Amino acid sequence: QVQLVQSGAEVKKPGASVTLSCKTSANTLTTHYIHWVRQAPGQGLEWVAIISPGGDVTDYAQRLQGRVTINRDIITSTVYLDVSSLTSEDTAVYYCASEVAKTSYFDDWGLGTLVTVSS
Amino acid sequence: QSALTQPASVSGSPGQSITVSCTGTSSDVGGFNLVSWYQQHPGKAPKVMIYQVNKRPSGVSNRFSGSKSGNTASLTISGLQAEDEADYYCCSYAGGSSYVFGTGTRVTVL
Repeated sequence: QVQLVQSGAEVKKPGASVTLSCKTSANTLTTHYIHWVRQAPGQGLEWVAIISPGGDVTDYAQRLQGRVTINRDIITSTVYLDVSSLTSEDTAVYYCASEVAKTSYFDDWGLGTLVTVSS
Repeated sequence: QSALTQPASVSGSPGQSITVSCTGTSSDVGGFNLVSWYQQHPGKAPKVMIYQVNKRPSGVSNRFSGSKSGNTASLTISGLQAEDEADYYCCSYAGGSSYVFGTGTRVTVL
């Protein structure tokens, strides 16, 4: 089982940026894709972003493209998600999830990080 | 990337079977055998129940099964139990490296 440890809750003002982290093991980063999925209060799941085991492939949900960036730090075995120009519609629980390479499903999940955007 | 369409709610009595549908397009559900299903209890992270249309991860009850026909995938829960009451989401690979989730279905055990 893959361990995914996420950073703590954040409160941000509209227009600000936030960086979320998801710490795992060095082995996981080299064998698994890492995804970010978010869930607004009372709403469904929304796929946000992916980074490949080599770190060379990233992709984003079309409607978020330009405002989100996924990257990773091999030394600390941590994956990050940057979200800029925050609005109240970005208020959500953000989950990181792992995918064994090329299996196309999310087998392990972090506990989630609540991001609240409020003036 | 429009969300896949699921019924808002499905209900059944203990012991019955229910089916949750998930309708997409030929660019996602219909184009690949890469549909997965997730169970989510309130306040918890999702848990995979079915992957690659009809495969069950180790530890998931064989009361859960999946299938696909054309642009519609389905999750069937047989022998419904109280613990199955939760939200269920389908998810499909959508080309490139992207994915799309369904709108979600609340399953209620009467």
